[in-house]
Amino acid sequence: QKEVEQNSGPLSVPEGAIASLNCTYSDRGSQSFFWYRQYSGKSPELIMFIYSNGDKEDGRFTAQLNKASQYVSLLIRDSQPSDSATYLCAVKPPGGSQGNLIFGKGTKLSVKP
Amino acid sequence: DAGVTQSPTHLIKTRGQQVTLRCSPKSGHDTVSWYQQALGQGPQFIFQYYEEEERQRGNFPDRFSGHQFPNYSSELNVNALLLGDSALYLCASSQSWDSRDYGYTFGSGTRLTVV
Repeated sequence: QKEVEQNSGPLSVPEGAIASLNCTYSDRGSQSFFWYRQYSGKSPELIMFIYSNGDKEDGRFTAQLNKASQYVSLLIRDSQPSDSATYLCAVKPPGGSQGNLIFGKGTKLSVKP
Repeated sequence: DAGVTQSPTHLIKTRGQQVTLRCSPKSGHDTVSWYQQALGQGPQFIFQYYEEEERQRGNFPDRFSGHQFPNYSSELNVNALLLGDSALYLCASSQSWDSRDYGYTFGSGTRLTVV
């Protein structure tokens, strides 16, 4: 059974701090990794994707991937109250670019002013 | 350029009824995937359509069926509704010919409530 695990939280950080969100996955052959942000009552919004080991930065967001440890993380620098949302980690198993995504249950982040 | 559009936005049905949800993919996309997201859970893959055929299917009973039309739009049908089918149903589209993997863009979803 292919699984993606996330700490459900809630994770609470003060405004301006770094928020660290973590995700582990079970299928070692997985090749593509995604982070989605979902505000309450809304659909998931893609914020980052990463394919290679190491770090990938986009503005205040940094995705980190360690395939040997089957671990992917998302760092949010200078957290803002508007970052308060549920963050979903998604993994695409081997099978081509059109394969389905396996999602974790999400981590709820709360940024306190 | 319109993104992925879904209709209706909200729907209330009674147990045992049937429901049809609709999705129009982003312009230029030819592949449609459907996901179910129960409250407090991550989205779960239902199935994917390409060239008007179901190409992949997740662990859902055959009460869940779909269709893709020549214009790439898609429908999700659920028969004999159960209370447990209450969820947010999400549609995502992509381009089959694009080997790059940018992930999926979701529509705004259809909130189905079964009473």
